[in-house]
Amino acid sequence: EAGVAQSPRYKIIEKRQSVAFWCNPISGHATLYWYQQILGQGPKLLIQFQNNGVVDDSQLPKDRFSAERLKGVDSTLKIQPAKLEDSAVYLCASSPGRKNEKLFFGSGTQLSVL
Amino acid sequence: AQKVTQAQTEISVVEKEDVTLDCVYETRDTTYYLFWYKQPPSGELVFLIRRNSFDEQNEISGRYSWNFQKSTSSFNFTITASQVVDSAVYFCALSEAKDDKIIFGKGTRLHILP
Repeated sequence: EAGVAQSPRYKIIEKRQSVAFWCNPISGHATLYWYQQILGQGPKLLIQFQNNGVVDDSQLPKDRFSAERLKGVDSTLKIQPAKLEDSAVYLCASSPGRKNEKLFFGSGTQLSVL
Repeated sequence: AQKVTQAQTEISVVEKEDVTLDCVYETRDTTYYLFWYKQPPSGELVFLIRRNSFDEQNEISGRYSWNFQKSTSSFNFTITASQVVDSAVYFCALSEAKDDKIIFGKGTRLHILP
């Protein structure tokens, strides 16, 4: 069974530029999450989708971050414009859709904003 | 509000020693779920265990064991006879039944020295 796929693996941009990350969850998984992991900290939830609807985006900085999950499958997370403090690993995770189940994570995209 | 505290930032032990990673949680819900994840250098978080609040039985899986104590709000993780491959960052996490949001602790970086 294929795992959660994310790309790119690494991205370096200058502040005020825009960047996009892509995630393809495990086939059949209804729930998709984007987490931000700053160095030395635990993952912080940015947004949660159930199929193609947003369940929770309370911690998404909506002035610069946006995310979509068209057709309830893969998802993109965008930052525009990026700030220095956005440097982090962006992790995508998915689960079958039942509440409080374990998450399956991708390898993440490491973003450096210079 | 839910919270997970992993007081140990970094631990180093010599191979074959036993090591315990501490996790203390806070929640007002009576129904909740606790998790442990492992994050090796590759970056992908790997699920280790999920425990619901009504099941206080300790669990053993090979060299791994978990001690859940509601009286002290702790869910500690012990590795017996540690191996170099156990070197990773370990995260404890909490999810309340009323929503589907998993909150992670800051993690404990474990070094197993040969």
